[in-house]
Amino acid sequence: EAGVTQFPSHSVIEKGQTVTLRCDPISGHDNLYWYRRVMGKEIKFLLHFVKESKQDESGMPNNRFLAERTGGTYSTLKVQPAELEDSGVYFCASSQDSSYNEQFFGPGTRLTVL
Amino acid sequence: GENVEQHPSTLSVQEGDSAVIKCTYSDSASNYFPWYKQELGKRPQLIIDIRSNVGEKKDQRIAVTLNKTAKHFSLHITETQPEDSAVYFCAASIKGAAGNKLTFGGGTRVLVKP
Repeated sequence: EAGVTQFPSHSVIEKGQTVTLRCDPISGHDNLYWYRRVMGKEIKFLLHFVKESKQDESGMPNNRFLAERTGGTYSTLKVQPAELEDSGVYFCASSQDSSYNEQFFGPGTRLTVL
Repeated sequence: GENVEQHPSTLSVQEGDSAVIKCTYSDSASNYFPWYKQELGKRPQLIIDIRSNVGEKKDQRIAVTLNKTAKHFSLHITETQPEDSAVYFCAASIKGAAGNKLTFGGGTRVLVKP
């Protein structure tokens, strides 16, 4: 079974530019989560989709971040315009349902904003 | 919201010795506590988890203990091997209508010296 995949693996952009990260969850997983780890600190929750609906977006830092999951399959996370403090590793995770089931993580996208 | 503290931030042990990582959480409603291992350049992977109705769980050389009263939980690795070298993250979550978002500790970098 293919695991959670993320694209790109690395992205280097300049402040003010736009970047779009993509996550493909495990097939059949309705729950999709975005997290990020900034500057070697803890991994922080950003938001949670159930199918195509945003269930919880309490962790989104500001309105420069836009997440979508059209059709309830893959998800994109767009940062526009990017700021220096957005640098970090963005992880996507998926789970079959939201009750105790293991969240399977993707390899992450390392974003560097210069 | 939930806050998870993890200690130590780095841990160096001799091969064959035991390693212990401790975490505390703030929200008494948290009822699910997974531990993830992230090897260099790889994705975080679940290694063991515990629910609030259980005090201890073991899986071969790995064990987790939970003290709900004190709101802390610990990971114990016995007979450490070089392949145990990685960053370990504890997390806590509350099963509920908003889903199963994970609140992570800051991570512990474990180095097992041969």
